[in-house]
Amino acid sequence: TQLLEQSPQFLSIQEGENLTVYCNSSSVFSSLQWYRQEPGEGPVLLVTVVTGGEVKKLKRLTFQFGDARKDSSLHITAAQPGDTGLYLCAGGHMNNNAGNMLTFGGGTRLMVKP
Amino acid sequence: SAVISQKPSRDICQRGTSLTIQCQVDSQVTMMFWYRQQPGQSLTLIATANQGSEATYESGFVIDKFPISRPNLTFSTLTVSNMSPEDSSIYLCSGRDRGLNTEAFFGQGTRLTVV
Repeated sequence: TQLLEQSPQFLSIQEGENLTVYCNSSSVFSSLQWYRQEPGEGPVLLVTVVTGGEVKKLKRLTFQFGDARKDSSLHITAAQPGDTGLYLCAGGHMNNNAGNMLTFGGGTRLMVKP
Repeated sequence: SAVISQKPSRDICQRGTSLTIQCQVDSQVTMMFWYRQQPGQSLTLIATANQGSEATYESGFVIDKFPISRPNLTFSTLTVSNMSPEDSSIYLCSGRDRGLNTEAFFGQGTRLTVV
């Protein structure tokens, strides 16, 4: 069983602050995805990283995949209230019976106060 | 990415009854999944819905309690049977193509309350 530990579980910050969310595992993943979910909606993909050490930027969001492909981080610069939501990391891996599967982390609830 | 329409969006049900949740995808998708989620928490995989065959259930979930249908590559249903208050949760369906590192897309979720 491949597990992804996500931290922190909950984060409440003021608008304009920076933050980092971490996703860690003892297992190697073929890819690492980050999703954001707003209340009453399903998760929506933000980014996929596939190469060890890869860094991707999406406006104020920076995503990094660890060199060993076991961990990832999401950094938000100058957070805004619109960034509020549940952030989920998901590791891609092969399951012999079911093909390529995703394992989701425990989630980080982010609240950005104006 | 594909769009999944999930219904109902919410329901309040009496204990002992059953509820069927439907998901319709606007294009064919290789894999479909059903998840359960407590508000503000992560996703717990219930089962993989297999087209034309029995679903593959995760540990702790059984077919008698959560029968799943997938008659074709664009549609799936999940039934929550003989409900109890412990079944109150958000249920989400998801679709994903089989290729490596593909995106998972989700329905809007069904918020179920059992009274």
